[in-house]
Formats: sequence, C-alpha cells, structure tokens
Amino acid sequence: KNQVEQSPQSLIILEGKNCTLQCNYTVSPFSNLRWYKQDTGRGPVSLTIMTFSENTKSNGRYTATLDADTKQSSLHITASQLSDSASYICVVSDARYGGATNKLIFGTGTLLAVQP
Amino acid sequence: DTEVTQTPKHLVMGMTNKKSLKCEQHMGHRAMYWYKQKAKKPPELMFVYSYEKLSINESVPSRFSPECPNSSLLNLHLHALQPEDSALYLCASSQGITDSSNQPQHFGDGTRLSIL
Repeated sequence: KNQVEQSPQSLIILEGKNCTLQCNYTVSPFSNLRWYKQDTGRGPVSLTIMTFSENTKSNGRYTATLDADTKQSSLHITASQLSDSASYICVVSDARYGGATNKLIFGTGTLLAVQP
Repeated sequence: DTEVTQTPKHLVMGMTNKKSLKCEQHMGHRAMYWYKQKAKKPPELMFVYSYEKLSINESVPSRFSPECPNSSLLNLHLHALQPEDSALYLCASSQGITDSSNQPQHFGDGTRLSIL
C-alpha cells in the first residue's frame, strides 16, 4: 500500500473556480510534507513545504494545510487559471532517514485540468 | 527554465548501446538525485549523492551506473538496457541531504529515454 495517497485521481474544473486536492499519508515519523506541481513533460516544481508543526502555508493562489494528527494535507487552488492544468504531487519526507538522507515518498498525484 | 539542466532532452537507444545522461546545477547544492518516472506514475528514487559520494542506491540494476565527477555534475551511464527501462529520467538537487532546513529539491525537466 502506498504510504502517500491522493484524491481525486483526476479533476476537471472551469477557469476561475476554486478546488481542493487531498493527501493522506501513513509515513511516520516524517520531517515535512511538500506539494509539487508537474506540468506535462517537465520536472516537478516545489509549491510549498510544511514541517509537522505548521498548519498552513501559502504560495500565491496555492494554500496548503496540514493536520499532523490525522495525517492529512490539502492543497487549495484559488481562482484557477488555464496554466494550473498539471499533475499535483504530495510528497512526504521520511524522517527515519533524517540526518543522513532526504528520502521523499511520493504520492500518486492528482491530474488537474482547467477548462475555459 | 529550470536551474537544473539535463541533457539530452530525448534519447532513443538500442538494447546493446552505451549512452550517458547528464545533469548540471550551479546553485552550490551538495546533494544530487536520480529518479525514474513512468507515465502517469510518481518519480521513483534511484540514487542519491551527497558531497560527491554515493549515499543511496535503491537496489537499481547494474545496467544503470551513476557518477558524480564534481559537485555540479551528475551522470547516469546506461548499458544493455531493456525496453521496460523506457521512462523519464529526472535529476534533482538540494542544498544538503539532511532535512534540518526543509529545503526543496530542484528538479530538471528530465531526459525522455526510449529503448528499442
């Protein structure tokens, strides 16, 4: 079973609308949780990084939340644009390797399509 | 443009060929990574280099041979690959491999590899 599960697998929304992507993880202990955006044919780009003590972090129209007790995170996209069409990947840093490595556990991603 | 440069962008090779993938970064990062990504799947970690020394090898077959000539360069030598090795190969770098500063990994745009 994947230690980082994302939902939905895919999502279609209209331009200008908001949406929320979900991430549930079982990685424990963990150092931080990251959200990446990956455009088709490109490498992932970091959107946010949150440690276990942070509840929320924003990057422009992207706002990530973290509940370390329930092991859930969400990524909220406000006023979506066509350029937001991409795969959004939730990534948890496995703290068992802390101090020696930076091993990231990747989720399966949510494919977002923003339509005009 | 990304700060991690990968060449070539595309590579087609036969199963008996020998080729190399190259990755370069000039951000002063001391940790560099190779990932393999199949279509519609998250990246899978292959190798981690820290301070030019191999830190992690995720049980990758010996037909993949990494090399880190200096702190800015990372190569992946390929020999006798199989059709199932066709994938997007991503290089990433980060300032260090510990999580103390929770720094993002910066990804290149990858090399699209096809094995005939």
